[in-house]
Amino acid sequence: QKEVEQDPGPLSVPEGAIVSLNCTYSNSAFQYFMWYRQYSRKGPELLMYTYSSGNKEDGRFTAQVDKSSKYISLFIRDSQPSDSATYLCAMSSGSARQLTFGSGTQLTVLP
Amino acid sequence: GAVVSQHPSWVICKSGTSVKIECRSLDFQATTMFWYRQFPKQSLMLMATSNEGSKATYEQGVEKDKFLINHASLTLSTLTVTSAHPEDSSFYICSAFPGTSGSSVEFFGPGTRLTVL
Repeated sequence: QKEVEQDPGPLSVPEGAIVSLNCTYSNSAFQYFMWYRQYSRKGPELLMYTYSSGNKEDGRFTAQVDKSSKYISLFIRDSQPSDSATYLCAMSSGSARQLTFGSGTQLTVLP
Repeated sequence: GAVVSQHPSWVICKSGTSVKIECRSLDFQATTMFWYRQFPKQSLMLMATSNEGSKATYEQGVEKDKFLINHASLTLSTLTVTSAHPEDSSFYICSAFPGTSGSSVEFFGPGTRLTVL
C-alpha cells in the first residue's frame, strides 16, 4: 500500500462545476499538507498549504484536512478551463524533510 | 513569493554526451534542494536530495555516477547527466526548500526537458 493514495482520474467537468479532489494517507505523523497544480510540461506550482487539521480558503480554492480520517481534499468552486491541469497532493511530517506525493489527478474543465 | 529557476528549459543532445542542468533559488537561500524526474502522465519521482556543502543523497535505483549533483552554494544546485542515452530522456524538475521555514513547503522550478538522440 502506498503512503499516499490519490485517484489519478482523468476527471472531466463542465465549466462552473465544483470540483473535489482527494487524497488519503496512512502515515499518522504527517502534519503538513500541500496541494500543487501542474500544467503540462511545467513544474508544479504551490496552490494551498495547510498545517494539521482544518480548512483553508483562498479565492475559489478550499483545502480541507481531516487527520482523524487521514483524508485531505481540495475543492475548486466555479471551475474554469484554465484550471485544467494535474493536481498533486503532498505531505510531510516536518521532521523528515522529504515530501510524499500523491500520483496526481488530471482535471479537464470543459468550456 | 519564492522563485526557483532552471536552465536550460529544454535541451537536445547526442547519445554519449553529458548535460548539465542548473537550479537556482532566486529570492531565498535553500539549504536543501531536490531533483525529480517525471515521465509523461506520471507523477514526480524523487532522484536525490542535495544539501549545500555536502554530498547528495540518492534514492534507491538512481545511479550516482550517472547523475552527478553539486550543491555549491545556498542558491545553486546542478545536475549533470553523464554519458546520456535515449532512456535518460525525461522531464527533470528541481525544487528548493527555504531552510528557515518550518513549513516543509517545497518550491519547484519550471523543469528541464531533456531529449537524447
